[in-house]
Amino acid sequence: QKEVEQDPGPLSVPEGAIVSLNCTYSNSAFQYFMWYRQYSRKGPELLMYTYSSGNKEDGRFTAQVDKSSKYISLFIRDSQPSDSATYLCAMSPYNTDKLIFGTGTRLQVFP
Amino acid sequence: EADIYQTPRYLVIGTGKKITLECSQTMGHDKMYWYQQDPGMELHLIHYSYGVNSTEKGDLSSESTVSRIRTEHFPLTLESARPSHTSQYLCASSDPRDRGEKAFFGQGTRLTVV
Repeated sequence: QKEVEQDPGPLSVPEGAIVSLNCTYSNSAFQYFMWYRQYSRKGPELLMYTYSSGNKEDGRFTAQVDKSSKYISLFIRDSQPSDSATYLCAMSPYNTDKLIFGTGTRLQVFP
Repeated sequence: EADIYQTPRYLVIGTGKKITLECSQTMGHDKMYWYQQDPGMELHLIHYSYGVNSTEKGDLSSESTVSRIRTEHFPLTLESARPSHTSQYLCASSDPRDRGEKAFFGQGTRLTVV
């Protein structure tokens, strides 16, 4: 069983929709949670970074962490065609060099 | 804005050739990494470095080697390329003062071995 599970999609939504992307994990030692956005033929770009449980908001993006359920989410409000990309969740335990990635969810936002 | 550069972006090369993928960063980060990414698969760590003269193998076994002679430079070498090495290679770096491995990535090198 993988430590991090992520639905690969693709997820196709109309412009303006609210998008919910999710990852589940099995390792209760994970403390740091990240979302990366990867455009086609580009490297991943750090989008959101959270520590432990709770919410973090940055513009149209909100990251949520529920450690009791081992579940993290990324919400995108008012989605735009420019949001079309693959979104990778990543997480690591405290004070370690390990960064574990999900497989990524491909998102398509159509006009 | 992350400043980490990889060259070449794309490389098609014949079996048996020696190749070096270049990675440089201008952020002064001590930690650097090489990941391998195949379509539909998660990123797998193949090498990492804590600083000059420090190199470690990652979780995914790889026939490649790395060196870290300068802080800003972390090249990856394949002595004899094979079709099984065809993949996307991503270089990343992070500031050890940032807990949780907040990694910044380069654009990647897409390697095809024919």
